[in-house]
Amino acid sequence: GAGVSQTPSNKVTEKGKYVELRCDPISGHTALYWYRQSLGQGPEFLIYFQGTGAADDSGLPNDRFFAVRPEGSVSTLKIQRTERGDSAVYLCASSQNGGSETQYFGPGTRLLVL
Amino acid sequence: DQQVKQNSPSLSVQEGRISILNCDYTNSMFDYFLWYKKYPAEGPTFLISISSIKDKNEDGRFTVFLNKSAKHLSLHIVPSQPGDSAVYFCAASPNYGGATNKLIFGTGTLLAVQP
Repeated sequence: GAGVSQTPSNKVTEKGKYVELRCDPISGHTALYWYRQSLGQGPEFLIYFQGTGAADDSGLPNDRFFAVRPEGSVSTLKIQRTERGDSAVYLCASSQNGGSETQYFGPGTRLLVL
Repeated sequence: DQQVKQNSPSLSVQEGRISILNCDYTNSMFDYFLWYKKYPAEGPTFLISISSIKDKNEDGRFTVFLNKSAKHLSLHIVPSQPGDSAVYFCAASPNYGGATNKLIFGTGTLLAVQP
């Protein structure tokens, strides 16, 4: 079966612009996670969805970052007024039900803010 | 505050030998641990996991050991193969009243298996 997919694979934007990053989880997975990985670091948690609702958004760095999952499947991470420090790989993962389960990751979106 | 630590940024081993990757954690609320492998330009791939109620889990060439008293886990790969060359991330999941969700990752160890 298909794994987690993310689009675009690469995104270059200018400081101050708005970007949207998309994640398609594994079919049937109710839990969806966004992480951000900076160079030389491990992935850092941003937000967790259970179904359509954000169950934990404690990792979002500030109010420029927002994510939605309106139908409980595809999710979009939105970044307003991008800054150079937002440059990173944005990873999406999904799991069957959340909780103590394996999370399966997509290939990531590499965001570069110039 | 780094709650999951991988103190060795890199490790080099000969093909056929054992690779041992180490991970330390500080939060006693962690109850589920995972190892992920990552190739360049790809997302992390799940390798093996262990629950805090166990001290060992084995899957083929991969074995994870958990020492809760020392807050330490390790991943053993034997025999190591050149295709195992990748960055290995240790991750932990906290149990806050049963609603575990986010993973907390270490900074990774780059394993190079020499033919």
